[in-house]
Amino acid sequence: AQTVTQSQPEMSVQEAETVTLSCTYDTSESDYYLFWYKQPPSRQMILVIRQEAYKQQNATENRFSVNFQKAAKSFSLKISDSQLGDAAMYFCAYRRDDKIIFGKGTRLHILP
Amino acid sequence: GAGVSQSPSNKVTEKGKDVELRCDPISGHTALYWYRQSLGQGLEFLIYFQGNSAPDKSGLPSDRFSAERTGGSVSTLTIQRTQQEDSAVYLCASSRRAVGVTTYEQYFGPGTRLTVT
Repeated sequence: AQTVTQSQPEMSVQEAETVTLSCTYDTSESDYYLFWYKQPPSRQMILVIRQEAYKQQNATENRFSVNFQKAAKSFSLKISDSQLGDAAMYFCAYRRDDKIIFGKGTRLHILP
Repeated sequence: GAGVSQSPSNKVTEKGKDVELRCDPISGHTALYWYRQSLGQGLEFLIYFQGNSAPDKSGLPSDRFSAERTGGSVSTLTIQRTQQEDSAVYLCASSRRAVGVTTYEQYFGPGTRLTVT
């Protein structure tokens, strides 16, 4: 069965610095999708970035980028130039067809 | 266009009462998901619909929980004889159906915060 593991329950980063959130997953499939979602205190889940497993190039969205290591089944999220508005819970998710599995999340604190 | 909506946004109920939570997905999204998020926790999968059918009900925690979807659109999650441990935020998400190797992200509603007293 597929699993998604986020080993860092909480992290803190100084404003304007860079932080990396870890995610590992387990699957026997070769085609799948990976996502990072952000959940601010408003509890609205917001898609941050997505990665197709068949693409070798790491996805990038402005200050957000991923380090996708398919062989290692690792999918970390890097946030550059951290801003106060980045403070939230971050969830890593795996999707294959209609089956979606979320990690338990990492709470990110931004220190002014 | 309109996003996923959920109602009510907050619900306080007494232990033992039944509650119904509603989810309106994005128009045209055939896949619909229900999750439960307890305080400070991750998302616990409850049930998934493809159209009106539920191929995966594996996450429903007990037979007090049921869900239905009609017309391939609105879904209701019903909890009978609520217990205090049912207190949580219930999130709904919708998505286009995955086709071949193409898949689509989920769009989430704002959730319903259920408090059982």
